[in-house]
Order: sequence, then C-alpha cells, then structure tokens
Amino acid sequence: GAVVSQHPSRVICKSGTSVKIECRSLDFQATTMFWYRQFPKQSLMLMATSNEGSKATYEQGVEKDKFLINHASLTLSTLTVTSAHPEDSSFYICSARAGGFAKNIQYFGAGTRLSVL
Amino acid sequence: KNEVEQSPQNLTAQEGEFITINCSYSVGISALHWLQQHPGGGIVSLFMLSSGKKKHGRLIATINIQEKHSSLHITASHPRDSAVYICAVTFQGAQKLVFGQGTRLTINP
Repeated sequence: GAVVSQHPSRVICKSGTSVKIECRSLDFQATTMFWYRQFPKQSLMLMATSNEGSKATYEQGVEKDKFLINHASLTLSTLTVTSAHPEDSSFYICSARAGGFAKNIQYFGAGTRLSVL
Repeated sequence: KNEVEQSPQNLTAQEGEFITINCSYSVGISALHWLQQHPGGGIVSLFMLSSGKKKHGRLIATINIQEKHSSLHITASHPRDSAVYICAVTFQGAQKLVFGQGTRLTINP
C-alpha cells in the first residue's frame, strides 16, 4: 500500500528554536497534504491543509506565522514550528491524499513527537 | 453541524472476545475511515468504506448509509489489538476528515 514517511519521529528542542518536520509520500503523488496536532488523550485536530504549489489553508485558531507550511512538490510537505515554546509540545501527524480516483483515501505518517524544554 | 460520534469511549475485554466499536455521523458522507493508533502514536489506516462491508484478517468493517452508522468488529481479539480505534469521515462536498473521539481498547490476556 501507499506509504507516507514523516521525519523526525521525535525531537527535543530548547524554547525559542525552530523545528522542521518533513512529510513525504513515497510511492504516489500527493496533491493534498494535511497537518494534524494531537494532545495527550485527545483526538487529532486539523491544523492546515496544503495543496501543492499553493498557500496552505489554516484552521481557525492556528497561527500561520507560527506554523509555516510548505508544499513545494507533489511528494513533500514541511511544517516548521517557529520559535517553539513548551505549549507547542505535542504530537504532530501528517497525512497525504492522491488525486483522481484515490481522492478519498488519506495515508498517514507515523507522527512526530515534539518536546520543547 | 457535521459530527462524528463513537462508542464506547473505553472498552476492556478478555483475549478471544468478539469486539464491536460503533460510529455514527450526522450527514451524508463520501467516505468513512477506521484508523488504529498504538501507544507510540503512529496511525494505521485499517479501512476506507463508502458502502457495504470489508474484511481484513480478523477485522471487519460495515457501514449502513441509510442509518449513518458504521461498526468495526474484531474477532478472536488478542492483546496486540490493544490500541485506540478512530472513526473519521469525509463529509460530502468537503475534503478534510472529521474525527470521532476514539475508542480505547484494552485486551487482557
């Protein structure tokens, strides 16, 4: 089946630094990628939707200058948490969706656990 | 309002038991997903349904479009099935997934 690779799986950083998370579709072209955040014992919350070559659409309450999303190619999207603070510590998950007949299927990355000290 | 409700929230059973997790949604959908999330966090997509029934190994997923309801069944449950199971839907005309709150399943040996 289709594979989405997310890297890194875990990152620990100091407050004030920026962290970049990569999401790659390995064997298909992802016209749309989604970024989610999940706090402990809570459901996934959609942060933003990115379509290749265009600006990401952010959900209400998500700061676009804080969470920079780039979807420069059909196989790669990146999420950069800028000037991270302890409250940004969370589990971040990406998913990717192909177009055409497979447009209803989302493939998930394994997630990135971010800990900001 | 587009909503997804799952039940039960928590389920503990003994190894070998037949497990059922339910998902109801509010309006028409284009697809329903069943996802599995293990304690480490990674999510695995188990099924995507738009009608009928699908089976993969010990897992069976059904959907009733008229009743706006889906069930995930696990036969001959095993401790390694312990995880959070999440129902997620794509509502008609939308592209993003709406998630249920998840069902935490624990299978004791």
